[in-house]
Amino acid sequence: DGGITQSPKYLFRKEGQNVTLSCEQNLNHDAMYWYRQDPGQGLRLIYYSQIVNDFQKGDIAEGYSVSREKKESFPLTVTSAQKNPTAFYLCACRVLGQPQHFGDGTRLSIL
Amino acid sequence: GEDVEQSLFLSVREGDSSVINCTYTDSSSTYLYWYKQEPGAGLQLLTYIFSNMDMKQDQRLTVLLNKKDKHLSLRIADTQTGDSAIYFCAEIPASNTGKLIFGQGTTLQVKP
Repeated sequence: DGGITQSPKYLFRKEGQNVTLSCEQNLNHDAMYWYRQDPGQGLRLIYYSQIVNDFQKGDIAEGYSVSREKKESFPLTVTSAQKNPTAFYLCACRVLGQPQHFGDGTRLSIL
Repeated sequence: GEDVEQSLFLSVREGDSSVINCTYTDSSSTYLYWYKQEPGAGLQLLTYIFSNMDMKQDQRLTVLLNKKDKHLSLRIADTQTGDSAIYFCAEIPASNTGKLIFGQGTTLQVKP
């Protein structure tokens, strides 16, 4: 089945540590997106990529980094510079003219 | 500017209709979406409407779009307990990088 997969489902970060969230899709979609969700708020865009080897900052990119070396993969690194990383992270992908499809999310917490 | 507003909470009885409302600011938006999120899960696309349409019906779901007032609504007929979730309204602005602008989400509580 085609789909978009995020892993792990739960992740814990120690102080000063970088962690990487995985997002893989086999839908052959060109564009991929990372969102952050906090309780009582809508989703906010962190980074997005419309083609391989290219990506743009979203509204809250500080403290995060991404790469897009392959069409099917768009990993997100939460760096130690992100002082409030506890949130639910959602990855999405899209083909032009169609709605975004979302993964099941990764919940990141601080130890 | 780009902004989407929703009420935060709605409670209905099982079998009643639910109406979730949304307002947006970007009149050039091309598509408007409704997503459903169950606890601990990702977002599931429920339905969407193109900006040149007034209404779209899909089984128990009816979407109404009033472009003049920039108002979007989602009506769920015969609401069931399985409809309890958070519902997000979202728009794609005309800049069309595919970036979605989301509302805060409306928590729908369905009482038996």
